[in-house]
Amino acid sequence: DTEVTQTPKHLVMGMTNKKSLKCEQHMGHRAMYWYKQKAKKPPELMFVYSYEKLSINESVPSRFSPECPNSSLLNLHLHALQPEDSALYLCASSRGETGGYEQYFGPGTRLTVT
Amino acid sequence: GESVGLHLPTLSVQEGDNSIINCAYSNSASDYFIWYKQESGKGPQFIIDIRSNMDKRQGQRVTVLLNKTVKHLSLQIAATQPGDSAVYFCAERGNTGTASKLTFGTGTRLQVTL
Repeated sequence: DTEVTQTPKHLVMGMTNKKSLKCEQHMGHRAMYWYKQKAKKPPELMFVYSYEKLSINESVPSRFSPECPNSSLLNLHLHALQPEDSALYLCASSRGETGGYEQYFGPGTRLTVT
Repeated sequence: GESVGLHLPTLSVQEGDNSIINCAYSNSASDYFIWYKQESGKGPQFIIDIRSNMDKRQGQRVTVLLNKTVKHLSLQIAATQPGDSAVYFCAERGNTGTASKLTFGTGTRLQVTL
């Protein structure tokens, strides 16, 4: 299984809502990532989890809160978002070892903040 | 800061012709490079990768060339097909402990005409 799954596919939320994005992989990968992608732009790294510990936070606002409950799951909790947070949120995973392994991406969650 | 960039934002090729997508990178310490294909509404899909100790790598219909002297990366697609129409991103990878951080280029849209 070389698939990264993400739910939901689409999400519309108001600025006062709390929602969560979910990501799952069963490839035994030990690194998982959240990216944000605006239209016609490249993905921008938000967070990296390595062996279920947060290893990189790219100065992301606290209204985005990541969580890694176990080695297969990655969540992104959303609270008090702004309209400019509307984007495609991509999850990815990799083996996590040094030496270079590609990241496998999920299909993304299209988020619209109203 | 360090960046990965592309020369052409849009490339239009006829079906059956070869395509060449270029990428310039600025981080001379990068030791691993990846090309991704992203179709509309989907997450990036791994195409091919290359380590910095190589200058050429071939896959099925695709070849990646790396010129470290001028910090240039290219993706060649042979006999381009309509299904190759997508946005192509190059990315460089920097080791950060056991997780790696990908920095993406700005992307090139490949349009295949019949």
